[in-house]
Amino acid sequence: EVQLVESGGGLLQPGGSLRLSCAASAFTFSSYAMSWVRQAPGKGLEWVSAISGSGDNTYYADSVKGRFTISRDNSKNTLYLQMNSLRAEDTAIYYCAKSTDYGSGIYSFFDYWGQGTLVTVSS
Amino acid sequence: TVVTQEPSLTVSPGGTVTLTCASSTGAVTSGYYPNWFQQKPGQAPRALIYSTSNKHSWTPARFSGSLLGGKAALTLSRVQPEDEAEYYCLLYSGGTWVFGGGTKLTVL
Repeated sequence: EVQLVESGGGLLQPGGSLRLSCAASAFTFSSYAMSWVRQAPGKGLEWVSAISGSGDNTYYADSVKGRFTISRDNSKNTLYLQMNSLRAEDTAIYYCAKSTDYGSGIYSFFDYWGQGTLVTVSS
Repeated sequence: TVVTQEPSLTVSPGGTVTLTCASSTGAVTSGYYPNWFQQKPGQAPRALIYSTSNKHSWTPARFSGSLLGGKAALTLSRVQPEDEAEYYCLLYSGGTWVFGGGTKLTVL
């Protein structure tokens, strides 16, 4: 069964940095695009960043562009999110999620999710 | 792009309800690859529908997706008490994914 396990969350001050990890198992990691999605306390879902299976293509929400960097190590089946210049509004549960391209214009975005890791930015 | 959903809906057990998903840029088409998710309190979201109307293997048959009047739609038929949850739609456009604000569905 597909499993995604996030780690690396914590409490830190504004301006700080943090790297989140997402360990994937039970699927061919390098064949699938991956994303980070976050949810602020009591709020809705917000897409943060995405990366292609090869890692060659990356995408970012405007709210994190220039501050966050998504990457992956396909040899370790692990997805990362480097977060710099953190702000209070970055406080959220961060989920990693897998997407599937079925071909013929059929896409399943975020079909599997991890349980999330909480990032709290506060002074 | 702003994606808009009904903030809340109420349905009776056994009834039918349709949730919609509109885009500020105009009509939602299949080219936005609408996806739908269910989230219960304290849990991660769960995917229900992809590319407008395709169901995952775990999606109950009573859930269906469509395009309706320029919006993406999620219809729940024969609603069960366990369907009470927050539902989110997702639209994709040119390397950007945008979630709707969510619909809190109450089964009462």
